[in-house]
Amino acid sequence: GQQLNQSPQSMFIQEGEDVSMNCTSSSIFNTWLWYKQDPGEGPVLLIALYKAGELTSNGRLTAQFGITRKDSFLNISASIPSDVGIYFCAGQSGGSNYKLTFGKGTLLTVNP
Amino acid sequence: NAGVMQNPRHLVRRRGQEARLRCSPMKGHSHVYWYRQLPEEGLKFMVYLQKENIIDESGMPKERFSAEFPKEGPSILRIQQVVRGDSAAYFCASSRTSGELNNEQFFGPGTRLTVL
Repeated sequence: GQQLNQSPQSMFIQEGEDVSMNCTSSSIFNTWLWYKQDPGEGPVLLIALYKAGELTSNGRLTAQFGITRKDSFLNISASIPSDVGIYFCAGQSGGSNYKLTFGKGTLLTVNP
Repeated sequence: NAGVMQNPRHLVRRRGQEARLRCSPMKGHSHVYWYRQLPEEGLKFMVYLQKENIIDESGMPKERFSAEFPKEGPSILRIQQVVRGDSAAYFCASSRTSGELNNEQFFGPGTRLTVL
């Protein structure tokens, strides 16, 4: 089946720093989504990307849908302690457009 | 505007018992999806349902697992004769459509199943 390679697996940063994480795939996706999951909770949608090359921002978050349709990145600027959590990329491909394929997540720790 | 509701939040079962997990989608959403998350893993798709119809159950184990979304009431994920390997977090998501627009999936808080 399809797989997403998400990196890095974990990050430890200081408050105020910028952070970047990315996902790559061997197959094409039509939609890329980024979710954040807090401990004991479900994933919360942060950004959805629908077109190759699309660059979308949501506050301090910026995400891009790669031109090849096989990758996406998420940037967080000026991190704050509440950014702590696990960030997941997810993709949807044609045919079964509803089925989300998730990466394994990036665990972000922000030191105040 | 309530989000996706799941209950129970935590469920403990002994091997061989049955587990029933419930999910109420967001208001206005008629598409429901179930995912399973093992520790330190991403979510894995299990099944996609619309009212009274199973659209895609390709991610669901062939035995012991079943799902339904009746005309009235919540969607139910049922696991019969649970085994320790069924211990995981089970998430439900819902969307307004499944087409190319407005198909964002919103997740519930999950049910954490522990099999003793």
